[in-house]
Amino acid sequence: QKEVEQNSGPLSVPEGAIASLNCTYSDRGSQSFFWYRQYSGKSPELIMFIYSNGDKEDGRFTAQLNKASQYVSLLIRDSQPSDSATYLCAVVRNTDKLIFGTGTRLQVFP
Amino acid sequence: GAGVSQTPSNKVTEKGKYVELRCDPISGHTALYWYRQSLGQGPEFLIYFQGTGAADDSGLPNDRFFAVRPEGSVSTLKIQRTERGDSAVYLCASSSTSGAPMNTEAFFGQGTRLTVV
Repeated sequence: QKEVEQNSGPLSVPEGAIASLNCTYSDRGSQSFFWYRQYSGKSPELIMFIYSNGDKEDGRFTAQLNKASQYVSLLIRDSQPSDSATYLCAVVRNTDKLIFGTGTRLQVFP
Repeated sequence: GAGVSQTPSNKVTEKGKYVELRCDPISGHTALYWYRQSLGQGPEFLIYFQGTGAADDSGLPNDRFFAVRPEGSVSTLKIQRTERGDSAVYLCASSSTSGAPMNTEAFFGQGTRLTVV
């Protein structure tokens, strides 16, 4: 079982819709959770981090964490074509090691 | 510097050769990570430094791979006897956080694309 699992996609949504990206993790000791965005040929850049159960909102982005279910998600409201990228879920355990999933490719079509 | 700097940006080497990849982190960042990313995959953890010491090197695939950070700033990833399967983008990231849990941003460099022919 991979430490961090994501559906590779692609996830296709129309412009203006809500995109929902999901991630599960295997280690219950994981303490911090991150969503990175990676455009093709570029390096990952941080969108949000969350470490408490519940929701965290930042502009059009909402991260949701459920530690009991070992599940973290990212919602993107009012999706734009410029949001088309690969979204990487990453978790940190108490060793500070940042482990990434394989990423979900999001396509937002006009 | 203003961001994480990696050199070279591209490296083509022959199978069996030795290569060094350099990472210059953001000034003052104590944590430094090396990852390897193949096409269509997420970044694969290789090694993590906290200061000068390797806090976790469990991701290094074999003893051909080695990394150092002698002064707690610049880090070099060294690959001996390169193989075609080593071809990938090698990413470096740095962070200002020390101790668990890490809840601040890790900044990535632009990566070194290594091609072994």
